[in-house]
Amino acid sequence: DQQVKQNSPSLSVQEGRISILNCDYTNSMFDYFLWYKKYPAEGPTFLISISSIKDKNEDGRFTVFLNKSAKHLSLHIVPSQPGDSAVYFCAASARTSYDKVIFGPGTSLSVIP
Amino acid sequence: DTGVSQDPRHKITKRGQNVTFRCDPISEHNRLYWYRQTLGQGPEFLTYFQNEAQLEKSRLLSDRFSAERPKGSFSTLEIQRTEQGDSAMYLCASNQPGQGWETQYFGPGTRLLVL
Repeated sequence: DQQVKQNSPSLSVQEGRISILNCDYTNSMFDYFLWYKKYPAEGPTFLISISSIKDKNEDGRFTVFLNKSAKHLSLHIVPSQPGDSAVYFCAASARTSYDKVIFGPGTSLSVIP
Repeated sequence: DTGVSQDPRHKITKRGQNVTFRCDPISEHNRLYWYRQTLGQGPEFLTYFQNEAQLEKSRLLSDRFSAERPKGSFSTLEIQRTEQGDSAMYLCASNQPGQGWETQYFGPGTRLLVL
């Protein structure tokens, strides 16, 4: 009963192009969504988040879009850089238990120079 | 500030043995979290502390698992009578309420292999 799904295990993108990472969730109680980035041999690091009261949040080259009716969110990276190559985790939580963050399985992004 | 540290980074043990992992959070952080990550999956929440109080435990945390944070600083996670299914990366994270709850700072993890 995976509550947060990332159906693409991997993605390859050319440097300078847009990377789009997708995430779907099943629990309608989720109202806060996050993206974490993980390099090998390191722990995940927080990247960007979005509240359910918004449909878009932007931070530099990173933009997260939320479609609540479809229970879908996406992370856009523009332009993609080789240093963006990492595993990206989508995560979610509910206001009833914000400390209990549910992670998706991750998407491994490779940005090709 | 050196970030969240975990010790050891790797542990190989035989089935049935007990293992203990340590996490040192960022010094001013009063919340500390434990996660387990298996191959091809994202981190799974195990438990968390606010200061020395253990506030929530996942059903994943069977009676063979115990976590402590006796003085509200470092924490230990012990697994008794290890099983092969316990093989995973064990991640620790910390944060300070008011910084933005979502900003959990993760350590590098302890990779456990049970033979």
